[in-house]
Amino acid sequence: KNEVEQSPQNLTAQEGEFITINCSYSVGISALHWLQQHPGGGIVSLFMLSSGKKKHGRLIATINIQEKHSSLHITASHPRDSAVYICAAGSNYKLTFGKGTLLTVNP
Amino acid sequence: GAGVSQSPSNKVTEKGKDVELRCDPISGHTALYWYRQSLGQGLEFLIYFQGNSAPDKSGLPSDRFSAERTGGSVSTLTIQRTQQEDSAVYLCASREEEGTQYFGPGTRLLVL
Repeated sequence: KNEVEQSPQNLTAQEGEFITINCSYSVGISALHWLQQHPGGGIVSLFMLSSGKKKHGRLIATINIQEKHSSLHITASHPRDSAVYICAAGSNYKLTFGKGTLLTVNP
Repeated sequence: GAGVSQSPSNKVTEKGKDVELRCDPISGHTALYWYRQSLGQGLEFLIYFQGNSAPDKSGLPSDRFSAERTGGSVSTLTIQRTQQEDSAVYLCASREEEGTQYFGPGTRLLVL
């Protein structure tokens, strides 16, 4: 069993839909990261959080430390949100990564 | 300022040859990381530097892999006697004392 599990693996949505990607982890963490990787592109760090909730534009990330669970939400999804979203959990210096969620938003 | 840069962006080599991959972190970032992303696989931690020291080398897949960092800045990842299973995208990231990691564009390595 992977130490960081994401669901779903693949997600297809229509433009404007509300998107939720889930991440469960079994490793001890000091922070959880959400990353975005566009096809053929580099990786961008979206959020780093250790408690509560963070919001940036249409993106919201939440974490429940007791339940070892985090969610990434995208409101009013847009085709440009199509990418692989990766959850990573761990300490400041060592991260364990989920396998990623491929999101496709159709116009 | 400039982000994390990596070179080369692509590298094709023959099995058995040595390769050297370079990472230039963001200026002033003390922590530097190397990761590997194989086709169809998730990201895999390889090694972490704090300054020039590597307190955790546990992610290096074999003794053919080594890395160094000099002057608290540039890092090189060396793979000796490359094998086909070494084909992957090698990513470097850096960060300040605290905070998020900034990723480079990666080096795509293909071992024929």
